[in-house]
This record gives sequence, C-alpha cells and structure tokens, in this order.
Amino acid sequence: DMKVTQMPRYLIKRMGENVLLECGQDMSHETMYWYRQDPGLGLQLIYISYDVDSNSEGDIPKGYRVSRKKREHFSLILDSAKTNQTSVYFCAIPDSFSNERLFFGHGTKLSVL
Amino acid sequence: SQLAEENSWALSVHEGESVTVNCSYKTSITALQWYRQKSGKGPAQLILIRSNEREKRNGRLRATLDTSSQSSSLSITATRCEDTAVYFCATDYTGNYKYVFGAGTRLKVIA
Repeated sequence: DMKVTQMPRYLIKRMGENVLLECGQDMSHETMYWYRQDPGLGLQLIYISYDVDSNSEGDIPKGYRVSRKKREHFSLILDSAKTNQTSVYFCAIPDSFSNERLFFGHGTKLSVL
Repeated sequence: SQLAEENSWALSVHEGESVTVNCSYKTSITALQWYRQKSGKGPAQLILIRSNEREKRNGRLRATLDTSSQSSSLSITATRCEDTAVYFCATDYTGNYKYVFGAGTRLKVIA
C-alpha cells in the first residue's frame, strides 16, 4: 500500500500562532489532498493539489493556505490559528492506477487554545 | 451542505448479525465509494461502485447503488467486533477528483 506520512501526530497551539502541518508520500503521485474532520461532519476538503504549485480550493479553504514545492510534500499552513480550527487534519493521495481510491495518513490532531 | 449523507448517525448490532448502512446523494454521479474508519486511523476504502453497477461485493460486504433514488447501501454480514468503525460514503460531483464525504455512520458491534 502507498504510504502517507503526516507530521506531527499531535499539536497544541495558542490562538494567533502560526501552524504548519506537513504531509509526505513515497509514490511521487501528482495529486494530494488536505481534509479536516470534525465530530458529526465527516471529512471536509480544504485543498487539493494536482501537482507542484498547482493547488485548488476545496469546500472550506478559508483560513488555510497550502504549499507544494516538491511532489513528495504538501504542507497546510494556518496563519494566526483560530480556536475553531481545532480539528483532526488528514492528508491523502489517490490510488496510482485509477485516482478513485484515496489513501489517508494517520491524521494530525490540532488543538488551538 | 452535505452532498453525500449517510442516513443513520449510529447503529449497534450483536456479533454475527447483519447490518446495513444507507447513503443518499444529491446529483448524478459516476461512482460512489464506501470507506471505513477505525478509531485513531485514517479512512480506508472498502468498495467502489460505478453508476452502471447495481451491486458490488467484497467478502462480507455488499454495496448497492440505485441511481433513480440517488441512494446507496452497504451491508455487512456476519459482523465481527473488528467491524466497529465509522462508515462513510463519498463521491466526486465535479469530475475533478474533489471527493465529498458524508458525515458517517458509527457502527458498534457488540460481542
């Protein structure tokens, strides 16, 4: 199976601080995703990246930005984090053959106090 | 708003029983996926069913798709405690691989 690595696993930040969540993959796949998951809301797409410097907004991009400078890495940045950004963040890559199956990382649990 | 929704927030069954999770979606689709997420892990795909398929099986799992009612179901037979998880349906409405997930159904299998 493809490997998606997320760092860190847990993060506690104060409101107003900047946050950097990192995701790596070992397949050099063009497409990478950032989702957030809140209780009762399922997974919501924040951003999708179709390749290096080719990023597209998802359903909830407000308050977030992303960076994709190398195909293997996709970063999610929260400038001046807010308490309502407390969530679990998942990075994902699609199946190499069909793009119709997503492989998720273990997630980063972010608490903004 | 949710474009893909499971119809039950939570279900519990006893081990060995069968259970069905339902999902509804709001516009035409080319395929629908079912995922399972165990506690502390990311979701993992179970089944993908295309719009020209009515049923798809994967071991003890069976997915159905009814395009006329815009609904899908995932049935699990002979449930085991390890089936305890949250089950999501997901689909891509845009054709740009922007997958939308439902809120999930929490299934608990009791020994």
